[in-house]
Amino acid sequence: EPEVTQTPSHQVTQMGQEVILRCVPISNHLYFYWYRQILGQKVEFLVSFYNNEISEKSEIFDDQFSVERPDGSNFTLKIRSTKLEDSAMYFCASSEALLGSATSSQYFGPGTRLLVL
Amino acid sequence: AQSVAQPEDQVNVAEGNPLTVKCTYSVSGNPYLFWYVQYPNRGLQFLLKYITGDNLVKGSYGFEAEFNKSQTSFHLKKPSALVSDSALYFCAVNSGYALNFGKGTSLLVTP
Repeated sequence: EPEVTQTPSHQVTQMGQEVILRCVPISNHLYFYWYRQILGQKVEFLVSFYNNEISEKSEIFDDQFSVERPDGSNFTLKIRSTKLEDSAMYFCASSEALLGSATSSQYFGPGTRLLVL
Repeated sequence: AQSVAQPEDQVNVAEGNPLTVKCTYSVSGNPYLFWYVQYPNRGLQFLLKYITGDNLVKGSYGFEAEFNKSQTSFHLKKPSALVSDSALYFCAVNSGYALNFGKGTSLLVTP
């Protein structure tokens, strides 16, 4: 069964450093998403991406964050200058279609645990 | 704003007994509702969804959920719990392109 993959599984970085989290969505999916889950809290939406541009973003997704689909398979989340509060599990997700259609389920990757020291 | 609430932090049930994990929603318009499960150190796995149609939705691993418009609820159920069902369960509702998740309910099934 196709699945979303993410690398690395864990990343430790120093405050102020740039990190890039990588995701390979399911191959025939067109919509891509990033979510995060701070330890002990609920999963929060960051950004959605379709047709090579951001379609929606939350207030969490400020200028320190960016997303890119550099080729036909990868989808990346970059944090330019990490802060302590960026420590979280970051989940990538993809869907074949928009929410509300018969094929609209979002499928999540296993996550990247980011620790900012 | 579209939101869901999971009133229970934890649900305990004995193996073989029926289980219910509660979720209520607050939306404008027709909701698209989802249940996901998260096992320790794993990502979110899709269980089931309600888009339209039958109020009783069947999903993976024997789970089902009932959409109740009058009570604005979408409770997750299983007739006979397994120890392996122990995990964190999240209810979610669509909001534009995004999913808004509840805070999660930890399900513990004891032998």
